Amino acid sequence: EAQVTQNPRYLITVTGKKLTVTCSQNMNHEYMSWYRQDPGLGLRQIYYSMNVEVTDKGDVPEGYKVSRKEKRNFPLILESPSPNQTSLYFCASGFFDRGDGYTFGSGTRLTVV
Amino acid sequence: RKEVEQDPGPFNVPEGATVAFNCTYSNSASQSFFWYRQDCRKEPKLLMSVYSSGNEDGRFTAQLNRASQYISLLIRDSKLSDSATYLCAVVRSKIIFGSGTRLSIRP
Repeated sequence: EAQVTQNPRYLITVTGKKLTVTCSQNMNHEYMSWYRQDPGLGLRQIYYSMNVEVTDKGDVPEGYKVSRKEKRNFPLILESPSPNQTSLYFCASGFFDRGDGYTFGSGTRLTVV
Repeated sequence: RKEVEQDPGPFNVPEGATVAFNCTYSNSASQSFFWYRQDCRKEPKLLMSVYSSGNEDGRFTAQLNRASQYISLLIRDSKLSDSATYLCAVVRSKIIFGSGTRLSIRP
């Protein structure tokens, strides 16, 4: 089944404890992206990647890192999480220039206390 | 000004009604356009792509107006199950989403 898999679905952590949210897709998509969604603010792009080893900042990259060593994986790393990073996170992937739209993972609800 | 703007709603309409949303974008170089549907606390799911000539999928019709820089979504004969948030997405060098329009269909 074609899908974007995010893990974990839910995570509660403490301030400053490094964490990684994984994202994997099995559709050979070149484009992958991370978003956070907060009430009243919609989907805001954190980082995106047009292909392996190519990553770019989105609108809200501060406090996040990403890597794209393989086409299928695009992990989101929070080196030192803070409470303002409490949010719902989505990973998405697609073929950027084919007009097919983009597939989202099921989301990761992160709480930083 | 946001690059992609939507009326947040909520739109509260009776079952069977026709409802329309607009989404405006500011960058004329935008290349592709989409409508997504998002249910509460779930991931956005692609509803339909938006083509220059307009396109229809059952009760849903999407249109693009490049001159005025907006896309629209029309839902005919609305059902209770259409209640959701509808997000527009605009693609140029990256994908930008609107904040979404909440739709609530009442019996």
